[in-house]
Amino acid sequence: DGGITQSPKYLFRKEGQNVTLSCEQNLNHDAMYWYRQDPGQGLRLIYYSQIVNDFQKGDIAEGYSVSREKKESFPLTVTSAQKNPTAFYLCASSPLSGSQPQHFGDGTRLSIL
Amino acid sequence: SQQGEEDPQALSIQEGENATMNCSYKTSINNLQWYRQNSGRGLVHLILIRSNEREKHSGRLRVTLDTSKKSSSLLITASRAADTASYFCATVGNFGNEKLTFGTGTRLTIIP
Repeated sequence: DGGITQSPKYLFRKEGQNVTLSCEQNLNHDAMYWYRQDPGQGLRLIYYSQIVNDFQKGDIAEGYSVSREKKESFPLTVTSAQKNPTAFYLCASSPLSGSQPQHFGDGTRLSIL
Repeated sequence: SQQGEEDPQALSIQEGENATMNCSYKTSINNLQWYRQNSGRGLVHLILIRSNEREKHSGRLRVTLDTSKKSSSLLITASRAADTASYFCATVGNFGNEKLTFGTGTRLTIIP
């Protein structure tokens, strides 16, 4: 079955620690996205990538970093510079052409210890 | 920044009734999409309507788009308990970068 896999489902971060969230897709999509969702809110774009080895900042990129070394993978690192990291993180992918819908993973819930 | 706002923020109806949610946005768009999110899960795409379309149907879903008013509505007919979820509209601008900008969502509860 084609889809997007996010891991882990739950993650805890200690103060001063960087943590990395995994996102893998087997849909052969060119574009991948990371969103942050706070309780009762919509999604805000953190980073997106339209091609391997290239990515752009979204609306709330500060305190986050990404890499896109393979088409299938788009990991997100939440750095210690992100002072309020507690949120639900969603990864998505889509084909590039024709404004196609995005396909989402089931998210990673990050909390502070 | 969030482009759209859904109205109402929360809606509770009896099973079998119709549910209508509205979305307003601020800038010109290429298309508008509706997504559903079950609690603790990712989003699922429901329907996409392009800026040159006024109405679209998919099963029990009907979406309308009024670009002059910068608004859209999602109608779910004959609601079922399984329709309980949050519903989000998202817009793609006219600038060709394919980014989605999400609204704040409507929390729909279907009472059996």
